[in-house]
Amino acid sequence: AQRVTQPEKLLSVFKGAPVELKCNYSYSGSPELFWYVQYSRQRLQLLLRHISRESIKGFTADLNKGETSFHLKKPFAQEEDSAMYYCALRGRTGNQFYFGTGTSLTVIP
Amino acid sequence: EPEVTQTPSHQVTQMGQEVILRCVPISNHLYFYWYRQILGQKVEFLVSFYNNEISEKSEIFDDQFSVERPDGSNFTLKIRSTKLEDSAMYFCASSEFGYNEQFFGPGTRLTVL
Repeated sequence: AQRVTQPEKLLSVFKGAPVELKCNYSYSGSPELFWYVQYSRQRLQLLLRHISRESIKGFTADLNKGETSFHLKKPFAQEEDSAMYYCALRGRTGNQFYFGTGTSLTVIP
Repeated sequence: EPEVTQTPSHQVTQMGQEVILRCVPISNHLYFYWYRQILGQKVEFLVSFYNNEISEKSEIFDDQFSVERPDGSNFTLKIRSTKLEDSAMYFCASSEFGYNEQFFGPGTRLTVL
């Protein structure tokens, strides 16, 4: 079964503190994983994808196949990082995404 | 920067009524998608559309649902006879090619009374 789990619905950190948003997946084969972000009153937008191995807005995410995880990390959280974060897995056919339930991140000034 | 647009932003309807949700994908994109998000739950895939036909659909996308590209710009989702459980946020997305990034619209909130 193809599934994404985000165990934390809510996460609060202080500004300047490290942040890690957890994502675990279930997929047989080589997964393609993404993080989407939704800022207040804005649309879902792609933050990063694992195949790009890039850092966007200071965020990174490493695919750990052994732990079937794709956690999102940032060493120093900023207030503008407050948003809803969704981990997503591309399905086998390539057309559909499987989303997690999302984690609402609040960065406390 | 081009964006996916959706209308209306909020639709209220009575149970049993038909609704049509509209989307204008990014103009050079070839693949179109509908997702929905019931309040407090995850974003769920409904259907993908390419070359004027459905390329994939989920179990949620039953006979009550249909999609259409009536002209060169619009992409619509029709729910024939709405049920209370159809109340959700419906997102349209488009991508240039099948394996490219999907760009999402702002969503239409459907409320079925």
